[in-house]
Amino acid sequence: EAQVTQNPRYLITVTGKKLTVTCSQNMNHEYMSWYRQDPGLGLRQIYYSMNVEVTDKGDVPEGYKVSRKEKRNFPLILESPSPNQTSLYFCASSLMGRGRDTEAFFGQGTRLTVV
Amino acid sequence: AQTVTQSQPEMSVQEAETVTLSCTYDTSESDYYLFWYKQPPSRQMILVIRQEAYKQQNATENRFSVNFQKAAKSFSLKISDSQLGDAAMYFCAYRSGFSQGAQKLVFGQGTRLTINP
Repeated sequence: EAQVTQNPRYLITVTGKKLTVTCSQNMNHEYMSWYRQDPGLGLRQIYYSMNVEVTDKGDVPEGYKVSRKEKRNFPLILESPSPNQTSLYFCASSLMGRGRDTEAFFGQGTRLTVV
Repeated sequence: AQTVTQSQPEMSVQEAETVTLSCTYDTSESDYYLFWYKQPPSRQMILVIRQEAYKQQNATENRFSVNFQKAAKSFSLKISDSQLGDAAMYFCAYRSGFSQGAQKLVFGQGTRLTINP
């Protein structure tokens, strides 16, 4: 089954404790990205990657890091989480280019709380 | 930069009736795509409908249809014969048609739809 898998689905952590949210896709997609969802703001892109070893900042990258060492994996790293990073996070992947086969596939979401 | 605005934070409708969710966007591009996503309490992001800007015909998917007004930069979603399972948060989203940034989605703020039995 084609899917994007995020882990964990729920996470409560303390300020300053490094954490990683994993994202893996099994569709051989080149493009992967991370979004955060906040009430009244919708989803906003944090980072994206167009292929292995190619990553770039989205609209709200401060406080986050990513890596793309393998095509299927795109982890989101919070080196020193702060309470303003409490949010719902989504990983998404898609093929590059145009057309209906380039639709985005989303993971199940990770609810992160930083206290 | 492109922006998407959903001015209705919440909407409600009686079961079996029709409801329209509003979305406006701002872009200087001529080639782009517009989407409506549904997010039920499970948090899953579900693609409801898609519209290519170069197509004049409004997209339809069963009970879901859009009113795409390109000149007005408006993209509303109509849900006919509303069902309890339609209750969810709905997001309007924009995607550029150009190769640079073509996969990035720009989302509106969301509209929470309640279905009254």
